[in-house]
Amino acid sequence: SQQGEEDPQALSIQEGENATMNCSYKTSINNLQWYRQNSGRGLVHLILIRSNEREKHSGRLRVTLDTSKKSSSLLITASRAADTASYFCATEGRAAGNKLTFGGGTRVLVKP
Amino acid sequence: GAVVSQHPSWVICKSGTSVKIECRSLDFQATTMFWYRQFPKQSLMLMATSNEGSKATYEQGVEKDKFLINHASLTLSTLTVTSAHPEDSSFYICSAGSLNTEAFFGQGTRLTVV
Repeated sequence: SQQGEEDPQALSIQEGENATMNCSYKTSINNLQWYRQNSGRGLVHLILIRSNEREKHSGRLRVTLDTSKKSSSLLITASRAADTASYFCATEGRAAGNKLTFGGGTRVLVKP
Repeated sequence: GAVVSQHPSWVICKSGTSVKIECRSLDFQATTMFWYRQFPKQSLMLMATSNEGSKATYEQGVEKDKFLINHASLTLSTLTVTSAHPEDSSFYICSAGSLNTEAFFGQGTRLTVV
């Protein structure tokens, strides 16, 4: 079963704008990971944030984690058409036997 | 980063036949691999955990006799969809990784059963 809920389910923005998506989860976690999936392809790892971390950056990506609210956000700054993809959060925690549990995903369309 | 290679990337088969999908870790040894299924515009659903040298662990609702998993070496896990039917048509993805680190995913296999 899915642990995470993501919102929005879909997002359409213009190139250059920022894109923000959110992920909420239900049980305690060891870490939360964000992945990107281009249509019909496998997943590419973006960022892993551990339960004792609050914010991480990687290039144009910024991830926050609020364990008290059981939520995370992914911000893509200065978006490009090539950022068009589906983005998934995934949690790893003892409740799920330390297996990754994926959220529903956010489909992002960046218009040139 | 580590590389996981999945083959084939797509396959079309006739109803009633079996299809084997391979997942290889190319530059690291994976004692555990995971198999997921993904329907269009939906998320990944874990099907089973493939354990090297022992039986796979299946998620609730996944038929182990229909989805046979073999993990005979530290670099190869296979998923065989037996007696495939149109409802088995889906996107199947494997992954490998260690606890508390990123997972590495194969490219996925699009299975179409006609």
